[in-house]
Amino acid sequence: GAGVSQSPSNKVTEKGKDVELRCDPISGHTALYWYRQSLGQGLEFLIYFQGNSAPDKSGLPSDRFSAERTGGSVSTLTIQRTQQEDSAVYLCASSPSGGGSLAQHFGDGTRLSIL
Amino acid sequence: AQSVTQLDSQVPVFEEAPVELRCNYSSSVSVYLFWYVQYPNQGLQLLLKYLSGSTLVKGINGFEAEFNKSQTSFHLRKPSVHISDTAEYFCAVSGSSGNTPLVFGKGTRLSVIA
Repeated sequence: GAGVSQSPSNKVTEKGKDVELRCDPISGHTALYWYRQSLGQGLEFLIYFQGNSAPDKSGLPSDRFSAERTGGSVSTLTIQRTQQEDSAVYLCASSPSGGGSLAQHFGDGTRLSIL
Repeated sequence: AQSVTQLDSQVPVFEEAPVELRCNYSSSVSVYLFWYVQYPNQGLQLLLKYLSGSTLVKGINGFEAEFNKSQTSFHLRKPSVHISDTAEYFCAVSGSSGNTPLVFGKGTRLSVIA
């Protein structure tokens, strides 16, 4: 596709369940980022991939959160044993390699609601 | 580390009036600066960016921003707003070396009144 694609667009699940969120970046973009947008905290960085490796995981809020990227393309963000405070919009962005001057392109996000 | 402060959480303005959304940043290293817009239930769309060179940056939809290093500011302006400009606007900063994550401000909700 032309842009960053995220699925599902909405996810409702019960507390304690595991969830997987998917991001399909723009073709050829080697850098991929996950952010979380919540009412109380605004937009927060979670994790950054360059290719398949994650040189910066500093934003992951707890060990319940993990992410992987395979084939230098699709990424999956997994949240285990979900808690109500995990409710948020999870945004994925990608950019070409070459430095911070190349702006990140965002998907429409996954709205996660924990009951 | 960087931080961004957007001084106004909400800005109401009448249609065809000018608007300025304020942004200040803090950083110990050289930075790139960005403004993004978010329409309801959508992701972030890049309005404009400052990398280097001219301090006045022009973006899409008639928006522009001016980088002021001495005041560590990057305020967004538009001379005449439209109803369709109603959205959330985010100022962001990133380090200028390598692919670095964006640090966002809390956002400013622009409401254009007919």
